[in-house]
Amino acid sequence: NAGVTQTPKFRVLKTGQSMTLLCAQDMNHEYMYWYRQDPGMGLRLIHYSVGEGTTAKGEVPDGYNVSRLKKQNFLLGLESAAPSQTSVYFCASSPESDSLVYEQYFGPGTRLTVT
Amino acid sequence: KQEVTQIPAALSVPEGENLVLNCSFTDSAIYNLQWFRQDPGKGLTSLLLIQSSQREQTSGRLNASLDKSSGRSTLYIAASQPGDSATYLCAVPGGYKYIFGTGTRLKVLA
Repeated sequence: NAGVTQTPKFRVLKTGQSMTLLCAQDMNHEYMYWYRQDPGMGLRLIHYSVGEGTTAKGEVPDGYNVSRLKKQNFLLGLESAAPSQTSVYFCASSPESDSLVYEQYFGPGTRLTVT
Repeated sequence: KQEVTQIPAALSVPEGENLVLNCSFTDSAIYNLQWFRQDPGKGLTSLLLIQSSQREQTSGRLNASLDKSSGRSTLYIAASQPGDSATYLCAVPGGYKYIFGTGTRLKVLA
């Protein structure tokens, strides 16, 4: 199993450009998440999904959109990139759990710079 | 609102020392707590997951404890090695989501 993969690994954008980050998992996990990590701020949840076709806002959703058309993929879109979106983006997934215990598995991250 | 705090933010120890990393959370109504390791420029690797019904979990030289009533978890690392140098993060669930501490940056000196 590849686990959780993210593409691309690095990207530089100019202000106003758009892009999509792709997260894929091969563990048949129900839940998927997008986080951003900034120095001194820790990991903050952007959007998440509790199943195919569903999405929900996290802590810092503004400026981002997501889609979960297939269970194994979770896409994060930036429609008009801003320098404040310079960050490292992590995708994670969790299996569904009757005990409400959700163990998270993380991808390697995408380092995005907006100039 | 759940808040997670990790103290200290950074720690430097000589090789071989036993050490304890701390994680505090404000809402004790949690189902589990997860400890992660993050190497510079890399993703998060899960170290241990403790369910609310457990008080401890062990993996090799790592031992994590959970005290829900006091809102605390500790990660004990025995006989530390330079390869243990990394940032250690704890996280607790809030519904389907996880709330992370800002981490403890550990440096083990050879």
